[in-house]
This record gives sequence, C-alpha cells and structure tokens, in this order.
Amino acid sequence: ELKVEQNPLFLSMQEGKNYTIYCNYSTTSDRLYWYRQDPGKSLESLFVLLSNGAVKQEGRLMASLDTKARLSTLHITAAVHDLSATYFCAVDVHSNYQLIWGAGTKLIIKP
Amino acid sequence: EPEVTQTPSHQVTQMGQEVILRCVPISNHLYFYWYRQILGQKVEFLVSFYNNEISEKSEIFDDQFSVERPDGSNFTLKIRSTKLEDSAMYFCASNLGSIYGYTFGSGTRLTVV
Repeated sequence: ELKVEQNPLFLSMQEGKNYTIYCNYSTTSDRLYWYRQDPGKSLESLFVLLSNGAVKQEGRLMASLDTKARLSTLHITAAVHDLSATYFCAVDVHSNYQLIWGAGTKLIIKP
Repeated sequence: EPEVTQTPSHQVTQMGQEVILRCVPISNHLYFYWYRQILGQKVEFLVSFYNNEISEKSEIFDDQFSVERPDGSNFTLKIRSTKLEDSAMYFCASNLGSIYGYTFGSGTRLTVV
C-alpha cells in the first residue's frame, strides 16, 4: 500500500523566514503534485513534478522531486502572511487513475 | 480560465436517503475523478472514470456509490443510502492526463443527519 507522509503537519513561522515542508512516499512514482487549500475552499494546484530532479518555482515557493529518495520538498522563501494555508502533496499511482495524498501541512505565518 | 463546476455547494440529507452530487468537468478533459475530504483530514480517492467506464475505485467506493456521465458534460456521484460517516467535502476533478495535473472543483459539502 502506498503511503505518503508529510512533515511537519503544523508549522507556525514568522514573516520573512524560510522553511521547508517534506513529502516522503513509499513506492515508485515519478509524478508528484503540490496543492494549496484555504479553509473551506478547494484544492489549488501549485506544482506538477514529473521527473527525477524536477524543480519548479513560483514566487516564494519552490518544489523539487527526488524519485530515488522518494522525497519531494516545498520550500518557502521569505514567508508572507498570504501564504498561510494547508499544503498537500499527492502522488500519482497507476498513472491517470488515482492520487494518494499526504495528511497536509497547516502553515501559519505571523506578521 | 476553465473551471470544474460542482453543485450544490452544500447539501444536508437524512441518513438513509439517496444523494446525487453533480459536476461539470472542463469540456475537453478526458479523465474524471471523485475525491472526498472528511473535515480536517486528508483527501481520499474514491473513483476515476475514463472512456465511459470506471478506471479505478477505492475501498471506500462500495456498492452504495455509483458514478455516471449521463451526457457529454455532467459527471455525477450517487450515494444510494447515506450514512453519518459519509459526511464530508466531495471534490470532483478532471484532466487531460496526469502529466497536466488535476483541476479540482470547489466541492460539495455533504452533511448527513
């Protein structure tokens, strides 16, 4: 059974600081996705990572994928309050058919 | 930007009643999905649908659940006899293939009382 583990599950940080969220998964996959969810809202796609060594950046967020280590990271640079949300990673199993999700990291950024 | 549309946004139903959750995927997408998220918990896969048939389903998707694409635009999830534990946010998603990512709708909050 594929397991996807995120850590930390909760992160409170000050504006301007850097931090990294980790996503480990237990079986071979080369497709990993990061989503953002605001309270009571939908799942907003942030990054689609499709190969070993993939790195993508959007604003203050950068995601990377190491398929050999079965690890993806979401790095936040110089955090701002607007980035407060829950961040999920999800791994594609059986291509096109199913995503397995991490438990989510609730990020609170204090002004 | 194209969106996945879900209706209703919130539905309250009595235990044992049937509910139908409706989704309009993005028009040129080929793959369709239902996921659910119990409040405060992780997102769980229910079912994927391609070429007018179920591609994969999870253990959650038992005989009480069914999906249908009755016409060229709608994609529905039916729960035949709702249970209290079916209370959750249900998300519909669609894509052209996983390499393009998944686009999620805004969700239907189902409350079973």
